[in-house]
Amino acid sequence: AQSVTQPDIHITVSEGASLELRCNYSYGATPYLFWYVQSPGQGLQLLLKYFSGDTLVQGIKGFEAEFKRSQSSFNLRKPSVHWSDAAEYFCALILTGGGNKLTFGTGTQLKVEL
Amino acid sequence: GAGVSQSPSNKVTEKGKDVELRCDPISGHTALYWYRQSLGQGLEFLIYFQGNSAPDKSGLPSDRFSAERTGGSVSTLTIQRTQQEDSAVYLCASSFTGQETQYFGPGTRLLVL
Repeated sequence: AQSVTQPDIHITVSEGASLELRCNYSYGATPYLFWYVQSPGQGLQLLLKYFSGDTLVQGIKGFEAEFKRSQSSFNLRKPSVHWSDAAEYFCALILTGGGNKLTFGTGTQLKVEL
Repeated sequence: GAGVSQSPSNKVTEKGKDVELRCDPISGHTALYWYRQSLGQGLEFLIYFQGNSAPDKSGLPSDRFSAERTGGSVSTLTIQRTQQEDSAVYLCASSFTGQETQYFGPGTRLLVL
């Protein structure tokens, strides 16, 4: 069965520092890949998605992610973190041709130090 | 425009009672999904409706869980004879078709005492 791994449960960065959140997936083919963010008490907001084409995708709020097929990874990056970026981040996938249900990773809680 | 809305935002119930959770998808979206977010299990898919097709119920954890979607719009998730392990945040999402980005509602936080 397909799975998504986010190896970092918690990450703390200083405001203005760069950020990289890791995501690896296990699936026989290339899935559709997503990053969502969840602020306390809020629903999930889509940051960016990868379906095909250019492996570097740009999202909202200055985030980007790079799909690397050889590493089965889809890491999320931001060059300079803002205090308002503190939230929980979820990587997710949808199987190509296999229905539209999202499989989520366990999430990474981001704390930003001022 | 209006996003996905869910009601109630919070629900406290006693073990053994039935509960109904409601989801109003974005107008014009043909696909609707239910997910559950709990401390022990993370985010899990429950059920998926796409147009007039039979729903994909493969994520429902037991036969105490059911969902319906009336008129291709509003959906209700029903949990019968609630158990403490049903305590979680229930999230609804919708998408324009079955192949597009899913937009999530704020969720219903369910607490079973």
